[in-house]
Amino acid sequence: QQPVQSPQAVILREGEDAVINCSSSKALYSVHWYRQKHGEAPVFLMILLKGGEQKGHEKISASFNEKKQQSSLYLTASQLSYSGTYFCGTERGGKLIFGQGTELSVKP
Amino acid sequence: GAGVSQSPSNKVTEKGKDVELRCDPISGHTALYWYRQSLGQGLEFLIYFQGNSAPDKSGLPSDRFSAERTGGSVSTLTIQRTQQEDSAVYLCASRHPREGRQTNTEAFFGQGTRLTVV
Repeated sequence: QQPVQSPQAVILREGEDAVINCSSSKALYSVHWYRQKHGEAPVFLMILLKGGEQKGHEKISASFNEKKQQSSLYLTASQLSYSGTYFCGTERGGKLIFGQGTELSVKP
Repeated sequence: GAGVSQSPSNKVTEKGKDVELRCDPISGHTALYWYRQSLGQGLEFLIYFQGNSAPDKSGLPSDRFSAERTGGSVSTLTIQRTQQEDSAVYLCASRHPREGRQTNTEAFFGQGTRLTVV
């Protein structure tokens, strides 16, 4: 079952903050976050596991609510380089399924 | 190699022809995934290989699509009798082996193969 992301798109000015949400109808063991710039491959940002373990990018933070089966990615003081499409991925038994993506545009 | 390698990078084919897309994962990565990304769309799961286990083919859209992984390394995605709606970027990703019940390993993506069916 594909996770659902919101919002679908967001436009920011440099320095502004954004939150991207990801929810699943099934129990989550882990949540992955990736960013894809136009014409490029998705690149890993962060993994959050049940029990609170996190692994990932130093400048990006995220939360994982196991009970609500939700995760949120927090982008603070956004930079132009943050522009791209953000995907959350949920994993069950090794199978990694991604949401439909959130397109983030950061303007000067 | 240093990363996941996919070939060809671009493929233009005529409707009805068969195509083969290749993925070379990172050495030692036993998990391998194929995804399809249509223009402006998300990452559509196609198939997942893990070691010697039977692959999870639940995402293959029709029986025209098949994939194999030889020797636990290189994978080939085959599309038979291509249709115009098959036009998309096909992405391959690989991961380290699982450890325990939870995996804290990220997936590494290749640059993809852009398939155009004319």
